[in-house]
Amino acid sequence: GAGVSQSPRYKVAKRGQDVALRCDPISGHVSLFWYQQALGQGPEFLTYFQNEAQLDKSGLPSDRFFAERPEGSVSTLKIQRTQQEDSAVYLCASSLAPIDLSGDEQFFGPGTRLTVL
Amino acid sequence: DQQVKQNSPSLSVQEGRISILNCDYTNSMFDYFLWYKKYPAEGPTFLISISSIKDKNEDGRFTVFLNKSAKHLSLHIVPSQPGDSAVYFCAASASSGTASKLTFGTGTRLQVTL
Repeated sequence: GAGVSQSPRYKVAKRGQDVALRCDPISGHVSLFWYQQALGQGPEFLTYFQNEAQLDKSGLPSDRFFAERPEGSVSTLKIQRTQQEDSAVYLCASSLAPIDLSGDEQFFGPGTRLTVL
Repeated sequence: DQQVKQNSPSLSVQEGRISILNCDYTNSMFDYFLWYKKYPAEGPTFLISISSIKDKNEDGRFTVFLNKSAKHLSLHIVPSQPGDSAVYFCAASASSGTASKLTFGTGTRLQVTL
């Protein structure tokens, strides 16, 4: 496909369960971002990868959140011991450029809607 | 601390008229601004952007205006079409030598009526 894909599209988890969310960025895109969008809010930055290197994880809300991109393409966001406040849409975005020169467009996937019961 | 604010949660405009969506920011380090459009169950789609060295950028029916002194930007859609009905997010970034994370506003839901 030409765009960013994410799976699963919907995930329901019981509180305390671990979940793994997958992102397939656009082929060749160096930068990959994860955002969390709570209901009624705008997306909020979680973490950023340049190829396989995680260069910024300042937005991860707790140590229960972990992201990886081991081969510089597909990325996985893992949430351990999920809690109700983790319920949100998790968006992945990718961009071509490794550094921001004049602002590089980020292409977003459709998101994974996580509901923690 | 909301660094990017969209104070109008919704806006209704008649088809053919102008839609004006507003956005304010507080962080003076922001130097690049973007508008994204989002349909239900889809990810945000890039619409138009503007660098802080400009005060206007135009792309077809869409124009973004930036007033740096007021820390305010606006998106104008002329003429508005029913397909423009969506949630519009304003976003900002600060150049830091690495790919810049975006800070989003809370969005404005635009409805274009017939």
